[in-house]
Amino acid sequence: AQSVAQPEDQVNVAEGNPLTVKCTYSVSGNPYLFWYVQYPNRGLQFLLKYITGDNLVKGSYGFEAEFNKSQTSFHLKKPSALVSDSALYFCAVRDDAGNNRKLIWGLGTSLAVNP
Amino acid sequence: EPEVTQTPSHQVTQMGQEVILRCVPISNHLYFYWYRQILGQKVEFLVSFYNNEISEKSEIFDDQFSVERPDGSNFTLKIRSTKLEDSAMYFCASSEALRYSPLHFGNGTRLTVT
Repeated sequence: AQSVAQPEDQVNVAEGNPLTVKCTYSVSGNPYLFWYVQYPNRGLQFLLKYITGDNLVKGSYGFEAEFNKSQTSFHLKKPSALVSDSALYFCAVRDDAGNNRKLIWGLGTSLAVNP
Repeated sequence: EPEVTQTPSHQVTQMGQEVILRCVPISNHLYFYWYRQILGQKVEFLVSFYNNEISEKSEIFDDQFSVERPDGSNFTLKIRSTKLEDSAMYFCASSEALRYSPLHFGNGTRLTVT
Protein backbone atom coordinates (compact mmCIF):
# COMPACT_ATOMS: atom_id res chain seq x y z
CA ALA A 1 0.00 0.00 0.00
CA GLN A 2 1.15 3.52 -0.71
CA SER A 3 2.02 5.73 2.23
CA VAL A 4 3.96 8.80 3.23
CA ALA A 5 5.47 9.48 6.63
CA GLN A 6 6.67 12.75 8.02
CA PRO A 7 8.12 11.57 11.31
CA GLU A 8 8.39 14.98 12.94
CA ASP A 9 5.30 17.02 13.82
CA GLN A 10 7.47 20.05 14.51
CA VAL A 11 10.97 21.16 13.61
CA ASN A 12 12.66 24.09 15.31
CA VAL A 13 15.75 25.73 13.87
CA ALA A 14 17.61 28.96 14.43
CA GLU A 15 17.72 31.51 11.65
CA GLY A 16 20.79 31.03 9.50
CA ASN A 17 21.16 27.36 10.37
CA PRO A 18 20.51 24.58 7.89
CA LEU A 19 17.12 22.93 8.05
CA THR A 20 15.86 19.47 7.19
CA VAL A 21 12.26 18.31 7.06
CA LYS A 22 12.03 14.55 6.72
CA CYS A 23 9.82 12.46 4.48
CA THR A 24 9.78 8.74 3.78
CA TYR A 25 7.46 6.92 1.45
CA SER A 26 6.25 3.50 0.40
CA VAL A 27 5.01 2.70 -3.12
CA SER A 28 4.84 -0.40 -5.25
CA GLY A 29 6.24 1.19 -8.41
CA ASN A 30 8.39 4.27 -8.90
CA PRO A 31 7.52 7.36 -6.88
CA TYR A 32 6.63 10.81 -8.04
CA LEU A 33 7.44 12.98 -5.04
CA PHE A 34 6.33 16.49 -4.17
CA TRP A 35 6.85 19.06 -1.43
CA TYR A 36 4.32 21.77 -0.65
CA VAL A 37 4.38 24.63 1.82
CA GLN A 38 1.39 26.20 3.55
CA TYR A 39 1.60 29.63 5.12
CA PRO A 40 -1.07 30.65 7.66
CA ASN A 41 -4.52 31.11 6.16
CA ARG A 42 -3.29 30.24 2.69
CA GLY A 43 -3.53 27.32 0.32
CA LEU A 44 -0.71 24.91 -0.31
CA GLN A 45 2.04 26.10 -2.60
CA PHE A 46 4.15 23.76 -4.70
CA LEU A 47 7.86 23.85 -3.78
CA LEU A 48 9.54 21.13 -5.82
CA LYS A 49 9.15 17.66 -7.27
CA TYR A 50 11.12 14.57 -8.18
CA ILE A 51 10.00 12.58 -11.19
CA THR A 52 13.20 11.06 -12.56
CA GLY A 53 16.85 11.93 -13.14
CA ASP A 54 19.14 13.79 -10.78
CA ASN A 55 18.48 12.82 -7.17
CA LEU A 56 18.95 16.38 -5.95
CA VAL A 57 16.16 18.68 -7.01
CA LYS A 58 16.01 22.39 -6.47
CA GLY A 59 12.84 24.35 -5.93
CA SER A 60 11.37 27.63 -4.88
CA TYR A 61 12.68 29.91 -2.11
CA GLY A 62 16.10 28.21 -2.00
CA PHE A 63 14.73 24.81 -0.98
CA GLU A 64 16.06 21.54 -2.30
CA ALA A 65 15.32 17.89 -1.71
CA GLU A 66 17.27 14.71 -2.14
CA PHE A 67 15.69 11.54 -3.44
CA ASN A 68 17.21 8.46 -1.86
CA LYS A 69 15.82 5.29 -3.36
CA SER A 70 17.53 2.86 -1.00
CA GLN A 71 16.21 4.70 2.04
CA THR A 72 12.89 5.55 0.36
CA SER A 73 13.29 9.12 1.52
CA PHE A 74 12.81 12.58 0.06
CA HIS A 75 13.98 15.01 2.73
CA LEU A 76 13.52 18.73 2.23
CA LYS A 77 16.54 20.92 2.94
CA LYS A 78 17.69 24.48 2.95
CA PRO A 79 21.25 25.59 3.73
CA SER A 80 20.30 28.69 5.68
CA ALA A 81 16.85 29.08 7.23
CA LEU A 82 14.91 32.33 7.30
CA VAL A 83 12.24 33.34 9.80
CA SER A 84 9.89 33.68 6.84
CA ASP A 85 10.31 29.95 6.15
CA SER A 86 8.18 29.24 9.21
CA ALA A 87 5.19 27.36 7.86
CA LEU A 88 3.58 23.95 7.50
CA TYR A 89 5.32 21.59 5.06
CA PHE A 90 3.69 18.64 3.35
CA CYS A 91 5.29 15.79 1.46
CA ALA A 92 3.22 13.89 -1.11
CA VAL A 93 3.78 10.88 -3.35
CA ARG A 94 2.11 9.36 -6.36
CA ASP A 95 2.85 5.79 -7.44
CA ASP A 96 3.56 5.20 -11.13
CA ALA A 97 2.47 1.56 -10.93
CA GLY A 98 -0.79 0.40 -12.44
CA ASN A 99 -3.74 2.74 -12.42
CA ASN A 100 -2.79 4.56 -9.25
CA ARG A 101 -3.83 8.16 -9.54
CA LYS A 102 -4.31 9.43 -6.03
CA LEU A 103 -1.74 11.71 -4.46
CA ILE A 104 -0.88 10.42 -0.98
CA TRP A 105 -0.13 13.11 1.59
CA GLY A 106 1.97 13.18 4.71
CA LEU A 107 0.48 14.66 7.86
CA GLY A 108 2.63 17.75 7.66
CA THR A 109 5.56 19.16 9.62
CA SER A 110 5.39 22.53 11.28
CA LEU A 111 8.66 24.40 10.81
CA ALA A 112 9.51 27.18 13.25
CA VAL A 113 12.55 29.30 12.48
CA ASN A 114 13.62 31.32 15.48
CA PRO A 115 15.35 34.71 15.10
CA GLU B 1 1.14 33.93 -12.90
CA PRO B 2 -2.27 32.31 -13.25
CA GLU B 3 -3.86 31.13 -10.05
CA VAL B 4 -6.79 29.17 -8.72
CA THR B 5 -9.44 31.40 -7.17
CA GLN B 6 -12.03 30.37 -4.62
CA THR B 7 -15.13 32.11 -3.38
CA PRO B 8 -16.27 32.88 -0.80
CA SER B 9 -13.29 33.03 1.49
CA HIS B 10 -15.51 32.36 4.48
CA GLN B 11 -18.96 30.78 4.60
CA VAL B 12 -21.08 30.41 7.71
CA THR B 13 -24.13 28.20 7.51
CA GLN B 14 -26.57 26.45 9.78
CA MET B 15 -26.61 22.71 10.16
CA GLY B 16 -28.81 21.07 7.55
CA GLN B 17 -28.42 23.86 5.01
CA GLU B 18 -26.95 23.43 1.55
CA VAL B 19 -23.74 25.20 0.62
CA ILE B 20 -21.97 25.64 -2.68
CA LEU B 21 -18.28 26.39 -2.74
CA ARG B 22 -16.95 27.87 -5.93
CA CYS B 23 -13.62 27.62 -7.68
CA VAL B 24 -12.14 28.89 -10.90
CA PRO B 25 -9.24 26.60 -11.84
CA ILE B 26 -6.33 27.66 -14.01
CA SER B 27 -7.67 27.84 -17.54
CA ASN B 28 -5.48 25.29 -19.34
CA HIS B 29 -5.61 22.72 -16.57
CA LEU B 30 -7.44 19.46 -17.11
CA TYR B 31 -7.70 17.92 -13.66
CA PHE B 32 -9.60 19.42 -10.77
CA TYR B 33 -9.69 18.49 -7.12
CA TRP B 34 -11.32 19.28 -3.83
CA TYR B 35 -9.50 18.78 -0.57
CA ARG B 36 -10.33 19.73 2.97
CA GLN B 37 -8.26 20.50 6.01
CA ILE B 38 -9.54 20.58 9.57
CA LEU B 39 -7.83 22.90 12.06
CA GLY B 40 -4.73 23.31 9.89
CA GLN B 41 -3.94 19.65 10.18
CA LYS B 42 -3.80 16.91 7.60
CA VAL B 43 -4.90 17.41 4.04
CA GLU B 44 -7.85 15.16 3.18
CA PHE B 45 -8.62 14.27 -0.41
CA LEU B 46 -12.29 14.51 -1.34
CA VAL B 47 -12.62 14.14 -5.09
CA SER B 48 -10.89 14.49 -8.44
CA PHE B 49 -12.60 15.45 -11.67
CA TYR B 50 -11.52 14.99 -15.26
CA ASN B 51 -13.28 15.20 -18.58
CA ASN B 52 -16.52 16.28 -16.94
CA GLU B 53 -16.78 13.38 -14.58
CA ILE B 54 -15.51 12.22 -11.24
CA SER B 55 -12.32 10.21 -11.68
CA GLU B 56 -11.77 9.32 -8.05
CA LYS B 57 -13.38 10.03 -4.71
CA SER B 58 -12.63 9.29 -1.09
CA GLU B 59 -14.83 7.69 1.54
CA ILE B 60 -15.49 11.19 2.90
CA PHE B 61 -17.20 12.12 -0.38
CA ASP B 62 -20.56 10.52 0.34
CA ASP B 63 -23.99 11.22 -1.10
CA GLN B 64 -24.10 14.58 0.65
CA PHE B 65 -21.36 15.86 -1.64
CA SER B 66 -21.43 16.60 -5.33
CA VAL B 67 -19.24 18.42 -7.82
CA GLU B 68 -20.03 20.15 -11.03
CA ARG B 69 -18.34 22.09 -13.78
CA PRO B 70 -21.36 24.01 -14.98
CA ASP B 71 -19.90 26.36 -17.55
CA GLY B 72 -16.38 25.33 -18.54
CA SER B 73 -14.67 27.68 -16.10
CA ASN B 74 -16.22 27.21 -12.66
CA PHE B 75 -15.82 24.08 -10.58
CA THR B 76 -18.19 23.78 -7.64
CA LEU B 77 -18.51 21.62 -4.56
CA LYS B 78 -21.99 21.25 -3.11
CA ILE B 79 -22.74 19.93 0.34
CA ARG B 80 -26.41 19.07 0.40
CA SER B 81 -27.17 19.06 4.11
CA THR B 82 -24.29 20.32 6.19
CA LYS B 83 -23.24 18.76 9.45
CA LEU B 84 -21.17 20.25 12.24
CA GLU B 85 -18.27 18.01 11.30
CA ASP B 86 -18.19 19.52 7.81
CA SER B 87 -16.61 22.63 9.33
CA ALA B 88 -13.19 22.87 7.71
CA MET B 89 -11.09 24.68 5.15
CA TYR B 90 -11.98 23.49 1.68
CA PHE B 91 -9.32 23.80 -0.99
CA CYS B 92 -9.78 23.57 -4.70
CA ALA B 93 -6.80 22.57 -6.85
CA SER B 94 -6.07 22.00 -10.50
CA SER B 95 -3.25 20.47 -12.53
CA GLU B 96 -2.19 20.19 -16.15
CA ALA B 97 -1.62 16.47 -16.34
CA LEU B 98 -2.10 13.71 -13.88
CA ARG B 99 1.07 12.09 -12.73
CA TYR B 100 3.86 14.58 -13.26
CA SER B 101 2.26 17.91 -12.72
CA PRO B 102 2.02 19.59 -9.34
CA LEU B 103 -1.31 20.71 -8.01
CA HIS B 104 -2.05 24.42 -7.84
CA PHE B 105 -4.22 25.31 -4.88
CA GLY B 106 -6.58 28.14 -4.20
CA ASN B 107 -6.53 29.96 -0.87
CA GLY B 108 -9.50 28.02 0.39
CA THR B 109 -12.99 28.60 1.74
CA ARG B 110 -13.40 28.39 5.47
CA LEU B 111 -16.73 26.69 6.09
CA THR B 112 -18.26 27.08 9.54
CA VAL B 113 -21.36 25.05 10.31
CA THR B 114 -23.27 26.18 13.39
